[in-house]
Amino acid sequence: EIVLTQSPGTLSLSPGERATLSCRASQSVSSSYLAWYQQKPGQAPRLLIYGASSRATGIPDRFSGSGSGTDFTLTISRLEPEDFAVYYCQQYGSSPRGGVTFGPGTKVDIK
Amino acid sequence: QVQLVQSGAEVKKPGASVKVSCKASGYTFTSYGISWVRQAPGQGLEWMGWISAYNGNTNYAQKLQGRVTMTTDTSTSTAYMELRSLRSDDTAVYYCARRSFYGDYGDYWGQGTLVTVSS
Repeated sequence: EIVLTQSPGTLSLSPGERATLSCRASQSVSSSYLAWYQQKPGQAPRLLIYGASSRATGIPDRFSGSGSGTDFTLTISRLEPEDFAVYYCQQYGSSPRGGVTFGPGTKVDIK
Repeated sequence: QVQLVQSGAEVKKPGASVKVSCKASGYTFTSYGISWVRQAPGQGLEWMGWISAYNGNTNYAQKLQGRVTMTTDTSTSTAYMELRSLRSDDTAVYYCARRSFYGDYGDYWGQGTLVTVSS
């Protein structure tokens, strides 16, 4: 099973600042099968990025994903008030029977 | 628009079973799979498995093998997740998500169903 580690655990920033979130895998994630989600309290996760760098439908371009192999990054170029939330990375198998795991999450809160 | 609407909260005793439903609309149900993910109180996300709405094939997380069954009813565009032999650590919000055509990630999510296991 691929274990994902996210850092930092909490990121305290002000609106307008740039946020850089890291997701590291215990082994290489095949074909960059890496997704990012945003979750606000009491809400379901919302898909932001899939395939490591492709934005999901309706996601603003201030969100971008990058990386390959074992190191991936989610960048929010300028934080809006609605961006303060918990962010999870997820790796998904390259075949229908591949394993799926989530990282423990990074909380982005207001400084 | 794509919508997934889940059944309401449940309270169960240890050892019992629970069956959560997820009704899909706004897309061709049999063209996608449905994944199930759970989240214990204050914790992160845990993938439980998925089912193809096209042919009913399933892939369950190893730790839940033998206790979980996922099914679909294509006549009503509804997916179901049944978890048996419930324990207190099964207390969680259970989410269904449409499994993307391109891989095992959820592109649209249900609102979640809280299942509480308590004696």
